[in-house]
Amino acid sequence: DVQLVESGGALVQPGGSLRLSCVASGFIFSDIWMGWVRQTPGKGLEWVAHISPAGTKKYYVDSVEGRFTISRDNAKNSVSLQMNSLRVEDTAVYYCARLIVPDGTHNWFDPWGRGTLVTVSS
Amino acid sequence: AIQMTQSPSSLSASVGDRVTITCRTSQGIRNDLSWYQQKPGKAPKVLIYGATTLQTGVSSRFSGSGTGTDFTLTISSLQPEDSATYYCLQDNTYPWTFGQGTKVEI
Repeated sequence: DVQLVESGGALVQPGGSLRLSCVASGFIFSDIWMGWVRQTPGKGLEWVAHISPAGTKKYYVDSVEGRFTISRDNAKNSVSLQMNSLRVEDTAVYYCARLIVPDGTHNWFDPWGRGTLVTVSS
Repeated sequence: AIQMTQSPSSLSASVGDRVTITCRTSQGIRNDLSWYQQKPGKAPKVLIYGATTLQTGVSSRFSGSGTGTDFTLTISSLQPEDSATYYCLQDNTYPWTFGQGTKVEI
């Protein structure tokens, strides 16, 4: 079974940093794009970032560009999200998700992890 | 960024009803759209990708249609387990954007 397990969520003060991790199993991790999607409490979903299988291509939503960095360690089947200069509005559940890119046209997230909660507050 | 307008924001329907959820994009995205179902306290699950392709293992009650700027998710015969919030996602242009969600109550 494909499984994604996130960790690293915590309460952090504005301006602080946090590193989220996601460990994958059940598929050939090094062949697969991976992404992060967040969901603010009681609200909708927002795509945050994703990374290519070799880690050479990275894409971010504008609101985190320059503050967040996505990376991966294929030897450890893990993808990380380094979050710096955190803001109150970054408070959300962060989901790790496998990004399916079968033919370079359609893309979709499947499956998703259970999520990890990041709270930015003083 | 491409704006996603999903409607309605919520609906209440009965078991066996046909339910339609619409997602409209601010510019054409071909058929680069997927639909997700999220139940309370759970992660989203993909239902449809490429606007019309049913994900393996998903009930055939679900179907997707549309291209360009107007897309539809249809549940042909609503079941109790379909109570959830549904989201569309466009992957045509960065930044990828989700619709605001449609909460379906039974």
